[in-house]
Amino acid sequence: QSVLTQPPSASGTPGQRVTISCSGSSSNIGINTVNWYQQLPGTAPKLLIHSNNQRPSGVPDRFSGSKSGTSASLAISGLQSEDEADYYCAAWDDSLNGVFGGGTKLTVL
Amino acid sequence: QIQLVESGGGVVQPGRSLRLSCEASGFTYAMHWVRQAPGKGLEWVAVISSDGSDKYYADSVKGRFTISRDNSKNTLYLQMNSLRAEDTALYYCARGDWVYGLGYWGQGTLVTVSS
Repeated sequence: QSVLTQPPSASGTPGQRVTISCSGSSSNIGINTVNWYQQLPGTAPKLLIHSNNQRPSGVPDRFSGSKSGTSASLAISGLQSEDEADYYCAAWDDSLNGVFGGGTKLTVL
Repeated sequence: QIQLVESGGGVVQPGRSLRLSCEASGFTYAMHWVRQAPGKGLEWVAVISSDGSDKYYADSVKGRFTISRDNSKNTLYLQMNSLRAEDTALYYCARGDWVYGLGYWGQGTLVTVSS
C-alpha cells in the first residue's frame, strides 16, 4: 500500500483531456512539493512535472500539474497515443522518506 | 550529456550481500536509489547528499542497506546486506532532489534474491 494514493488506471481517446489524481497527507503533499514521472513501457522513469506545476525543458505544455492541500493532479490535454504509459506522483515525507504513488496506467483508446 | 550507468546486479541467495554501483557524470548533486519490483510500482530506497554527509533510507531497507558515494570516482554505491526475496527488483540510480525532481535516471540493474 503506497503512501500516496493514485487511481490504478485511467483512459481517454486521442485529443481528449485526462486528469490523474494523487492523494497524500499533511506530512507529505500538505507541506512539500509534488513531482510527477512518466514511465513508458520498458524504460526508466522520466521527470514530467516538478515543484507541483513546473515542466522541465522539453516536456510539452500539454502536461500540467497542480496541487491543493494534501492532493495533487496531473492533467494531459490533447491526448496522444504516445502518452500511453504509467504515471507516478512523488513527494518527500516528513518521516524522512521519499514516497511515490502506486502509479496510474494510462490507456489511449 | 548526463549519463548514469548502474552495475552490480545479479542473482543472490536470501541472507547474502550485494553491492550496486552507479557511475555518473555531473555528480555534484544528491543521488538516490529507487527500485521497482517486477510488474510493480516505484519504491524510493535511499538518498545521499552531494557531499555524503546526509543519508536517509526507506523503512523497508533501514539497517540492511547502506548508501555511499565516492566523489573522486563519480560513483554511487548501495551495499545491500541480509537480502530478502522482497528485495528482488530493478534498481535505478537517479540524480536530483525532492523539490526539483529526479531529473536523470539510469537504466537500472536487476537484483534477484532467490535460493
